[in-house]
Amino acid sequence: SQQGEEDPQALSIQEGENATMNCSYKTSINNLQWYRQNSGRGLVHLILIRSNEREKHSGRLRVTLDTSKKSSSLLITASRAADTASYFCATDADSNSGYALNFGKGTSLLVTP
Amino acid sequence: DGGITQSPKYLFRKEGQNVTLSCEQNLNHDAMYWYRQDPGQGLRLIYYSQIVNDFQKGDIAEGYSVSREKKESFPLTVTSAQKNPTAFYLCASSIDRAGEETQYFGPGTRLLVL
Repeated sequence: SQQGEEDPQALSIQEGENATMNCSYKTSINNLQWYRQNSGRGLVHLILIRSNEREKHSGRLRVTLDTSKKSSSLLITASRAADTASYFCATDADSNSGYALNFGKGTSLLVTP
Repeated sequence: DGGITQSPKYLFRKEGQNVTLSCEQNLNHDAMYWYRQDPGQGLRLIYYSQIVNDFQKGDIAEGYSVSREKKESFPLTVTSAQKNPTAFYLCASSIDRAGEETQYFGPGTRLLVL
């Protein structure tokens, strides 16, 4: 079942600008992960944030988690054309899927030169 | 060169035909997963396996079957019972529980119906 919902569905920005994507989820989680998918390719893990963490950084990526609002955000700073991809959040909330992740529908990011 | 591979990249299925998608990993991961992705959609779980000789149905298992005879391999068969099989299929693996570990994805197989 799809637990996370990303917002916006699509985002278009120019190189050098910051891109912010949001993810909301419905039930309690232990961890939340963000993945990136280039068109027609597999997903690549970007960052994992645990429920007891509020913020995490990795290079130009900044992820926040607000468990009281059941939401997370992914910020990409100083975006580049190569950042063009779809970005998905995934949670480990318990479901019929047991040990697998629940993915949202993704945010499609377009970065133009 | 460690990783997870899927083959073929493109697969065509005729009406009433069963087809098998291959997924192999040399990461020594215990857990493996199959997801289906439709255009503009997220990933939906078909089957997962936490250990050799064990697998569990995901959210959309009907019309699919799997086996896990070896740790490295988790093939997915799309049977004739799956009436709308056209989709992008992704295989993934993780060391252990996906919620606590990163999932590593293969490059995907695109299945098309003739």
